Amino acid sequence: GAVVSQHPSRVICKSGTSVKIECRSLDFQATTMFWYRQFPKQSLMLMATSNEGSKATYEQGVEKDKFLINHASLTLSTLTVTSAHPEDSSFYICSARGPRYSTDTQYFGPGTRLTVL
Amino acid sequence: GQQLNQSPQSMFIQEGEDVSMNCTSSSIFNTWLWYKQDPGEGPVLLIALYKAGELTSNGRLTAQFGITRKDSFLNISASIPSDVGIYFCAGQKGQGNLIFGKGTKLSVKP
Repeated sequence: GAVVSQHPSRVICKSGTSVKIECRSLDFQATTMFWYRQFPKQSLMLMATSNEGSKATYEQGVEKDKFLINHASLTLSTLTVTSAHPEDSSFYICSARGPRYSTDTQYFGPGTRLTVL
Repeated sequence: GQQLNQSPQSMFIQEGEDVSMNCTSSSIFNTWLWYKQDPGEGPVLLIALYKAGELTSNGRLTAQFGITRKDSFLNISASIPSDVGIYFCAGQKGQGNLIFGKGTKLSVKP
């Protein structure tokens, strides 16, 4: 199957700082990338959808000024959590969908564990 | 947001037993997907279903796309300890976003 990587795998930061998470599709061009958030023992909740070269579409209740998404190329999307606070601590997972594989199938990255102190 | 009804919520079985879990929805989906998530990892795609009635296998896993397009099930035969994890179903309408179930946590006793 398709390979999607995320970096870093885990990050600990102080409250008020910003954190950038990278999502890369390693063996296909991802026309669309998705960012999810998952709290312990819960399902994945979609935060935003981004298409290469255009602005991200955010789900209701997700602050676009706090969670900045950039999808500058067909293989890279970044999520920046600005002015992070302890309540932003969570497991962030990206997924990618592209033309090489079935356009209806999303492949997920391994996730990034964010802990805000 | 909208979620699928996935059951059971958790299962604790003996190694070698078969496992069955399912997802239902009040609306129709064009695609059903089954993922497995290990602790601290992202979901891994197990099986993708694209046609009503489709029955697809992946090793010991078998999944079916319900005829009504409102449900899907996943069976695991002869479970082994590495089957432990959380299994998520996901439905999709056209090119829309995935709608996830709440997951089934599988525990396997050696």
